[in-house]
Amino acid sequence: GAVVSQHPSWVICKSGTSVKIECRSLDFQATTMFWYRQFPKQSLMLMATSNEGSKATYEQGVEKDKFLINHASLTLSTLTVTSAHPEDSSFYICSASHARQEGVDTQYFGPGTRLTVL
Amino acid sequence: QKEVEQDPGPLSVPEGAIVSLNCTYSNSAFQYFMWYRQYSRKGPELLMYTYSSGNKEDGRFTAQVDKSSKYISLFIRDSQPSDSATYLCAMSAGSGYSTLTFGKGTMLLVSP
Repeated sequence: GAVVSQHPSWVICKSGTSVKIECRSLDFQATTMFWYRQFPKQSLMLMATSNEGSKATYEQGVEKDKFLINHASLTLSTLTVTSAHPEDSSFYICSASHARQEGVDTQYFGPGTRLTVL
Repeated sequence: QKEVEQDPGPLSVPEGAIVSLNCTYSNSAFQYFMWYRQYSRKGPELLMYTYSSGNKEDGRFTAQVDKSSKYISLFIRDSQPSDSATYLCAMSAGSGYSTLTFGKGTMLLVSP
């Protein structure tokens, strides 16, 4: 159980275009979904947190107009990188939060999406 | 001082060795502690989850939390080449909506 999928797994795009990444919780309803960015040999950097039906909460330094997050349902969240530039090239990972028996949400991660902007 | 400190490694061990991975933290509000395993170019996979201080065992893996020392550990017994990955510790302060704070990860290499 607690499977999270991401699509696409990798994408190459031209500078100036927009890219949409989907994150789905396959076998549970996620109260909260998170979007992270990871650079090579670095840890996960939280970009934003979203709850179904409400606006995402962005971390300091993350441009909300550049990284658009839509959380349409309890099983789907999307991240759109608008007007992508080479410096946006990175590994983007989503996670979905699943309420545990102890009452604590634990995050289950998707497989990640590697974005390369030319 | 960073909130969570973790030695990036790499840590190289022979197959069958006992591996010890550690994190220290500074925020005394942290109560929930997790270990994730991440293979190259993949998303992190939850390995162990512990609440407050104590030990938890799952197969070859044992997680320990010492809140008085702000120190957590993951032990891997009878390590296998398939255990070669980056291990990330993560922790959070509360229940419900919870933001995780991650360590940088320790790269483990288990040689046959």
